[in-house]
Amino acid sequence: KQEVTQIPAALSVPEGENLVLNCSFTDSAIYNLQWFRQDPGKGLTSLLLIQSSQREQTSGRLNASLDKSSGRSTLYIAASQPGDSATYLCAPGPLLGGYNKLIFGAGTRLAVHP
Amino acid sequence: EAGVTQFPSHSVIEKGQTVTLRCDPISGHDNLYWYRRVMGKEIKFLLHFVKESKQDESGMPNNRFLAERTGGTYSTLKVQPAELEDSGVYFCASSLAGRREQYFGPGTRLTVT
Repeated sequence: KQEVTQIPAALSVPEGENLVLNCSFTDSAIYNLQWFRQDPGKGLTSLLLIQSSQREQTSGRLNASLDKSSGRSTLYIAASQPGDSATYLCAPGPLLGGYNKLIFGAGTRLAVHP
Repeated sequence: EAGVTQFPSHSVIEKGQTVTLRCDPISGHDNLYWYRRVMGKEIKFLLHFVKESKQDESGMPNNRFLAERTGGTYSTLKVQPAELEDSGVYFCASSLAGRREQYFGPGTRLTVT
């Protein structure tokens, strides 16, 4: 059974810092992995999708890496801004036992203050 | 292009009543998923449609939950009868054919009193 752990659970930083959010998963047999952000009371916004054959994906100030063999993914946020404040969720998609369903971690709650 | 929409945004019902949630996926998306977050826990998968067929319903908690996707367009999730533990946020997501990026709706917050 896939289990997803996100560290840290919460993070509060001043504006401008570079951040690293960690995600680990117990079953490396995944097809892809998605990173999302969720704003309070809102839905999930997809940030990045990494296929299992990829090592990393970049979108603007965001960079996500994937080390499937060790069951780890990292989301790197460069030059953080107050608008980055949200909960960040990691969700691997199992290769087997479920066609493209996502397994979510509990998330990292990020607060970036001016 | 319109995103995934869900209706209603909030629903408050009494234990034992019936509630139907609706999801309209992004036009052209064959895959439609239901997830939920209850009691402050992680978001959990409920089921997956490919067009009008149920591909995977391994996450459905019990037979009080019934999902349909007639005609392969919008989907409904009915809870009958609702129990207190069903309270939470129900999310719908859709994606193109194959194992693709999933796009989520804003969710329906269900409160059972």
